[in-house]
Amino acid sequence: QVLLVQSGAEVKKPGASVKVSCKASGYAFNSFGITWVRQAPGQGLEWMGWISGYNGDTNSAQKFEDRLTMTRDTSTTTAYMELTSLTSDDTAVYYCVRDLDIVPTIHCDFWGQGTVVTVSS
Amino acid sequence: DIVMTQTPLSSPVTLGQPASISCKSSQSLVHSDGNTYLSWLHQRPGQPPRLLIYKISNRFSGVPDRFSGSGAGTDFTLKISKVEAEDVGVYYCMHAAQFSLTFGGGTKVEIK
Repeated sequence: QVLLVQSGAEVKKPGASVKVSCKASGYAFNSFGITWVRQAPGQGLEWMGWISGYNGDTNSAQKFEDRLTMTRDTSTTTAYMELTSLTSDDTAVYYCVRDLDIVPTIHCDFWGQGTVVTVSS
Repeated sequence: DIVMTQTPLSSPVTLGQPASISCKSSQSLVHSDGNTYLSWLHQRPGQPPRLLIYKISNRFSGVPDRFSGSGAGTDFTLKISKVEAEDVGVYYCMHAAQFSLTFGGGTKVEIK
């Protein structure tokens, strides 16, 4: 079955960076993209960006463009999301989500369990 | 940018009774390929969201048939025919553009 397993919770100080991993299994990693979504405490869902599993192309929300780096390793079927210059506003649960890419399929059909990132001095 | 507006913000419902959630977009969601990439997600407390409905009205694998989606253009609706206890949580509409997403603000469904 399709599984997305994310790395564990992180606590960071303001100004630091965080890198979250998302290990995919149960499907052809190269045929799908990975979308990153975050959710601040008690708030709704916010799209951050997308990376192609096929060729590594990315598309980021404008508000994160200068702080967000998304990569993937096809040999380990793992996607990564790195966010720099953290502030308390970045405290949130971060989700990786299987999304479409070269295969015309369904958007956001499987979600990782989420990674809690806390930014605090 | 497209804005997705959900109503109501909160919906107290009686078990066994229907529930309905509206999602309106600031512009038409019809894609150049003719499809409308409007989905509905359900999030229970402490859990990640899960996909319920995609492309307006298609139920995702394993989703009970008491959930149905409808609409076109800028107006969309999620209906639960008979609410069960496991249906509590927050429901989000989601629009998928070319490799980007926009979410509605969410509707909390709770049992009266």
